[in-house]
Amino acid sequence: GQNIDQPTEMTATEGAIVQINCTYQTSGFNGLFWYQQHAGEAPTFLSYNVLDGLEEKGRFSSFLSRSKGYSYLLLKELQMKDSASYLCAVRDTGGFKTIFGAGTRLFVKA
Amino acid sequence: GAGVSQSPSNKVTEKGKDVELRCDPISGHTALYWYRQRLGQGLEFLIYFQGNSAPDKSGLPSDRFSAERTGESVSTLTIQRTQQEDSAVYLCASSTRQVGGNQPQHFGDGTRLSIL
Repeated sequence: GQNIDQPTEMTATEGAIVQINCTYQTSGFNGLFWYQQHAGEAPTFLSYNVLDGLEEKGRFSSFLSRSKGYSYLLLKELQMKDSASYLCAVRDTGGFKTIFGAGTRLFVKA
Repeated sequence: GAGVSQSPSNKVTEKGKDVELRCDPISGHTALYWYRQRLGQGLEFLIYFQGNSAPDKSGLPSDRFSAERTGESVSTLTIQRTQQEDSAVYLCASSTRQVGGNQPQHFGDGTRLSIL
């Protein structure tokens, strides 16, 4: 079956670093995406991994291990505006169907 | 427009009525997706269109749900005989299709559907 697991909620302090984990078990794999979704808004793209390793993009980095079915999103120098849900999504092979995890709600406190 | 456009933004209707939701993708995007998001939950895949290929309907929850898309243009999602459990935000997304590449999905603002 298709399964993507993420923690439901996390809390971190402004200026700190937080790591949001995602594990997946899917029938196929053709890339892993992270999206940010503020309350009441549409998801927006953050990062993409298809090969093992770390992809860095400013304050945000994403890591992938395909053999372990594992990814994480690392947010550095947290800001209050980073309070949002973070969605892990896996794209299937053979087509472009994408399965989303339930999302991790991140609360950044002062 | 520059982004994915969905209409209506909000829809309130009585149980048992039919509703039609519209999505206008970004011009040139061949792939179009529909998702359902219940309050406080993640995105539930409904259906995926790619150009003129047969759509992937594997996520449609019942035969009351159907969707159409003509070519690479507008799509409509229809829910017949609505039930209260259909209350959710319905999100549409589009993307380009390039094998092996980074083609994120671009989301519309969604239609918030409330069934009374």
